[in-house]
Amino acid sequence: AQTVTQSQPEMSVQEAETVTLSCTYDTSESDYYLFWYKQPPSRQMILVIRQEAYKQQNATENRFSVNFQKAAKSFSLKISDSQLGDAAMYFCAQVETSGSRLTFGEGTQLTVNP
Amino acid sequence: KAGVTQTPRYLIKTRGQQVTLSCSPISGHRSVSWYQQTPGQGLQFLFEYFSETQRNKGNFPGRFSGRQFSNSRSEMNVSTLELGDSALYLCASSLEGLAGYNEQFFGPGTRLTVL
Repeated sequence: AQTVTQSQPEMSVQEAETVTLSCTYDTSESDYYLFWYKQPPSRQMILVIRQEAYKQQNATENRFSVNFQKAAKSFSLKISDSQLGDAAMYFCAQVETSGSRLTFGEGTQLTVNP
Repeated sequence: KAGVTQTPRYLIKTRGQQVTLSCSPISGHRSVSWYQQTPGQGLQFLFEYFSETQRNKGNFPGRFSGRQFSNSRSEMNVSTLELGDSALYLCASSLEGLAGYNEQFFGPGTRLTVL
């Protein structure tokens, strides 16, 4: 069974600064995908970034980037130049390549201070 | 293209009642997945439907059931409601259902309160 762990229930960052959210996971699969989702107060889940396990290169989407350490089963999200609109709950999630169910972490509530 | 829609957005029921939630996927998407989100248990997978067939099921009691229609719209039903069923129920659609290959797009959720 897959497990995903986010050890930081809450994080805060100053506007324009950089913040890193941590995530570790456990799976017996060799091929899988990892995701970071954002859930703002509206509760709409939005995909932030995706990483394919077989790709060694870390994924990047504008101000969002990941640090994927496959051997350590670690998948952190870095948000650069934080903006007020980045304030939300962030979930790390994992799915095996052939699967269709996402396994989510507990979430990290990010606050962005002006 | 319209996003995933869920109805109703809010629902209040009493213990013992049953409830039906509806999800309309993005046009062309054939897979619909349901998740339950609670403060205590977080986000948990309920089930996935693809082409009117349940393809995957999470660890929930038989009181939780679902179905998918030929137009890919999906409903989930919870019978004999319990206080612990109070949650945000999220629906997600994707083209083929393989979350890794096909992004899952989430709806706004249905907030169910059981009194």
